[in-house]
Amino acid sequence: LAKTTQPISMDSYEGQEVNITCSHNNIATNDYITWYQQFPSQGPRFIIQGYKTKVTNEVASLFIPADRKSSTLSLPRVSLSDTAVYYCLVGDNTGFQKLVFGTGTRLLVSP
Amino acid sequence: DSGVTQTPKHLITATGQRVTLRCSPRSGDLSVYWYQQSLDQGLQFLIQYYNGEERAKGNILERFSAQQFPDLHSELNLSSLELGDSALYFCASSPRPGQDYGYTFGSGTRLTVV
Repeated sequence: LAKTTQPISMDSYEGQEVNITCSHNNIATNDYITWYQQFPSQGPRFIIQGYKTKVTNEVASLFIPADRKSSTLSLPRVSLSDTAVYYCLVGDNTGFQKLVFGTGTRLLVSP
Repeated sequence: DSGVTQTPKHLITATGQRVTLRCSPRSGDLSVYWYQQSLDQGLQFLIQYYNGEERAKGNILERFSAQQFPDLHSELNLSSLELGDSALYFCASSPRPGQDYGYTFGSGTRLTVV
């Protein structure tokens, strides 16, 4: 399984754009990159998934360079409610490998 | 509501006891995954089932067991409980093996062993 490395924590202010970068140097050809958000005492929530280039949905954007050894989750104009832990995961889509969560990035958004 | 239902939401029990946690996956999802999250350990993968069959195993203790039934709901059985088993237990489901659609997590069962 490709191991991921993320910053342990980040701080931001309301209205700012937040970019969280994840390193996955050993990503395999079949691996997808997926980001989850978790609030305290709640289950993780799927945010976005991508394979290469850029993916955007109503919540976030995911930027993946050509070598796919890293990815960046971009949250536009964060609000206090975006304070959460964000996890980056990589894995293939066979579903027969364990989906392993790292320590994640704890984002704190202040007024 | 994510569509994944976990019961009970809270459970308090004594050491040495046995408990069963239940998970109903989102409608149409065939895969079920169990995770344990304690304060100092983060999210730990326990086990995965697909259409009734075990597909992947993580760091699941021998005192723990799980199964997925024909109606696709799953149960996680925890026996000979210890204080260290106190944690949030999450169930997740996906349409089929894979991450194409991401995993949908339930709201968890908080187990407290006293």
